[in-house]
Amino acid sequence: NAGVTQTPKFQVLKTGQSMTLQCAQDMNHEYMSWYRQDPGMGLRLIHYSVGAGITDQGEVPNGYNVSRSTTEDFPLRLLSAAPSQTSVYFCASSYSFIASGNTEAFFGQGTRLTVV
Amino acid sequence: KNQVEQSPQSLIILEGKNCTLQCNYTVSPFSNLRWYKQDTGRGPVSLTIMTFSENTKSNGRYTATLDADTKQSSLHITASQLSDSASYICVVSDRGSTLGRLYFGRGTQLTVWP
Repeated sequence: NAGVTQTPKFQVLKTGQSMTLQCAQDMNHEYMSWYRQDPGMGLRLIHYSVGAGITDQGEVPNGYNVSRSTTEDFPLRLLSAAPSQTSVYFCASSYSFIASGNTEAFFGQGTRLTVV
Repeated sequence: KNQVEQSPQSLIILEGKNCTLQCNYTVSPFSNLRWYKQDTGRGPVSLTIMTFSENTKSNGRYTATLDADTKQSSLHITASQLSDSASYICVVSDRGSTLGRLYFGRGTQLTVWP
């Protein structure tokens, strides 16, 4: 049981490059989301999806795009990387809305991105 | 403004000792409160989830308490082990919007020394 799998684990980009962070879950969860974690700050929501074909913006969406063509996959795209996007990115999934009741949220192991 | 504040920011204890981490929040309307453990270089892993009606929940050596009236929670770790060294994150969710959202604290970095 793989849970939530993120790739790559580490990435270095040059300013202006684009790339896609991959996230896949094998638990048939409807709800998936992307967070970024910066030193001294709590995790912040970038984008989320409540099911295939449905996505919406979170707290810090600028510079990122997402799509949800299947239940299993939720890739995060950086359109034109900037040094301010240097961070650790976490993907999370849950059976239902992540904030409701006792819904358990499962996190991937993270992608450490450095933009130079 | 909805916020989650944790204290202390960091803590060092000796193996076998107990410790208590604090979480104060201003999130309203409250839905639930979660404690996560995050090992270095890993994603957060859930320890406990408590709803409004629950005031204590245990998971092995971890015991979380919740006082919804004072908007405070604590995480007590008993008989600490070296593997307890990690960041402990308090997360509060609201039920004010259609989906609700999570508010993350900045975490308490716990180091357990032998």
